[in-house]
Amino acid sequence: QKEVEQNSGPLSVPEGAIASLNCTYSDRGSQSFFWYRQYSGKSPELIMSIYSNGDKEDGRFTAQLNKASQYVSLLIRDSQPSDSATYLCAVNWASGGYQKVTFGTGTKLQVIP
Amino acid sequence: DAMVIQNPRYQVTQFGKPVTLSCSQTLNHNVMYWYQQKSSQAPKLLFHYYDKDFNNEADTPDNFQSRRPNTSFCFLDIRSPGLGDAAMYLCATSRGDSPYTDTQYFGPGTRLTVL
Repeated sequence: QKEVEQNSGPLSVPEGAIASLNCTYSDRGSQSFFWYRQYSGKSPELIMSIYSNGDKEDGRFTAQLNKASQYVSLLIRDSQPSDSATYLCAVNWASGGYQKVTFGTGTKLQVIP
Repeated sequence: DAMVIQNPRYQVTQFGKPVTLSCSQTLNHNVMYWYQQKSSQAPKLLFHYYDKDFNNEADTPDNFQSRRPNTSFCFLDIRSPGLGDAAMYLCATSRGDSPYTDTQYFGPGTRLTVL
């Protein structure tokens, strides 16, 4: 059973602060890691993907990966009220020659104006 | 713009009345996926097509079927919806050409209500 664990939150941060979202995964063979943002009642939207250990930055978002610790995180700098959403961590794994993705249950982020 | 489209966005059906959800894509992706997502839960993979190859998850109920008549379209059929099948149904696509960097892109989803 491939598992992806996230704190369900809610994580509340004031506007302009850094939001830190964390995720751990069980499959040491996983190679690809994704963060999706999901607004209430909407579908997941890809925010970041990361494949190598270290940091990957895209605008206000930074993804961090540590394969040895089986840990991936997402930092959101200068958090805005529009960032309030559920953030899903997704991790790939191989099954029968196909790539599949397991999602965490998500962390709900609330940015307080 | 290339995209994943789902129709209808909202579907209301009666207990036991068959329903079909539609997904189409203009991305020319090889892989199409169907997920079920209930409130505050992770998306749950029901099945996926790699081109014409159908892959069913072991725990997907027989009540759920899928068809992919061509590259662009994929359908989810629920033969006898129960109250527990009320959920958001998400279609996603991916290129399927890279073993380690394949990325899934989601359509807007169909919200299914069962009365």
